[in-house]
Parts: sequence; C-alpha cells; structure tokens
Amino acid sequence: ETGVTQSPTHLIKTRGQQVTLRCSSQSGHNTVSWYQQALGQGPQFIFQYYREEENGRGNFPPRFSGLQFPNYSSELNVNALELDDSALYLCASSFGPRLAGEQFFGPGTRLTVL
Amino acid sequence: GENVEQHPSTLSVQEGDSAVIKCTYSDSASNYFPWYKQELGKRPQLIIDIRSNVGEKKDQRIAVTLNKTAKHFSLHITETQPEDSAVYFCAASTFDTGNQFYFGTGTSLTVIP
Repeated sequence: ETGVTQSPTHLIKTRGQQVTLRCSSQSGHNTVSWYQQALGQGPQFIFQYYREEENGRGNFPPRFSGLQFPNYSSELNVNALELDDSALYLCASSFGPRLAGEQFFGPGTRLTVL
Repeated sequence: GENVEQHPSTLSVQEGDSAVIKCTYSDSASNYFPWYKQELGKRPQLIIDIRSNVGEKKDQRIAVTLNKTAKHFSLHITETQPEDSAVYFCAASTFDTGNQFYFGTGTSLTVIP
C-alpha cells in the first residue's frame, strides 16, 4: 500500500451542491495529480499541483478547482455538482512534474450525485 | 491533448496461457508509458513502465514493448495465473512537461483456472 490517503471514502451529494475532497501525498512527494474515474472507464486527468501552483489541467470545466498546501496535501473542489460528476476521484502523488516515474494512487473517494 | 486507445476491453485466457493488451497514443511528444493494474475496489498500482528511449522492458512474467514510429505499446503477461485477473490500464505522458497521465479505457483480464 502507498502512503497516499484520501478522505472521505464515500460521499453522497445532490445536484447543484458543492463538494471538497482531500488528499495527503506520500512523504517526500511534492506533486499531486487528480483523476476522475467513471464506472468502467480509465482515470481521466483533471489537474496537477506542484509546489502549490496548478501545473497542467485536463479537459474539465472551471467548476473543478483545487488547492495544494505547503505540506503538499491537496484539495479538489467541485461546484454546482451535476449527475455526471458521479465517479471515483483518485489523487496520485509523485516526486516532481518533470520526472518520469510512478504516480502513487490513493484509495479514492466515491462521489455519488443524486 | 493526448488520446490513448486500448484493446481489447475484455480478455479471457486459460491459466498458463499468455495475454497481450495493446495501446496506441496520438501525441508523438509522449515519452513515458506506465501500465497499472487495478483490482476490484482497490487503487491502481504500477506493474511496469517504459520510457521512449527503450524498445522493450521485462520484469519476470511481464513485458512491455514500444514502437515509437507506430505510436503503440503493448503489455505481455506470460504464464498467467488467477491472481493476474484484474483491470489493466495503459497510460502515456510527456514527463518533461509535467508527467500528467492520459489513460486508456482499460482491459478486464480474466484468467480461468
């Protein structure tokens, strides 16, 4: 098991609400990437944070936003939730954005939007 | 952006047989290609990776091959075992601009005892 943790494990929200998901990176890692994994699909890249700055973004609307803190933990915020936002949200930490290497995934947060 | 396609979506093999999963990518700048295994209800875990300056890499029963010209790479699992049953994802990234992973849609591998 990796040292990446995520909270909460599961979350149920209704359409239009806002949600915040949290990720603690593995010790020594300064980069956190967030992915959305819909049922039966591969993870889709949302964005990446490096040293508290956004360092790349996938094809997701601005209502998906994030933060990274000085201890390199990170938050994913989603505003105005839509039914299609229901998915497993994975964060992954790594040593740096310009190093080829493994990203270590957390266990994920299962978000259900009703 | 990068687009990764993966085939087949499902694969069943007899225990002891080989399994091959293929991926293609669109961005010629991609230079790092990891493969992840995801068991039901668990997090993805890296099983093997390859950089673009290498054509093949092996780790015991697992190997990955890369054809940069054709922009495709493949995962080969030999002597499959029931514990190899899982969903496998390929990914591509350009590590020198951020190492952001673009994943394929996954292959559900079932190894029949």
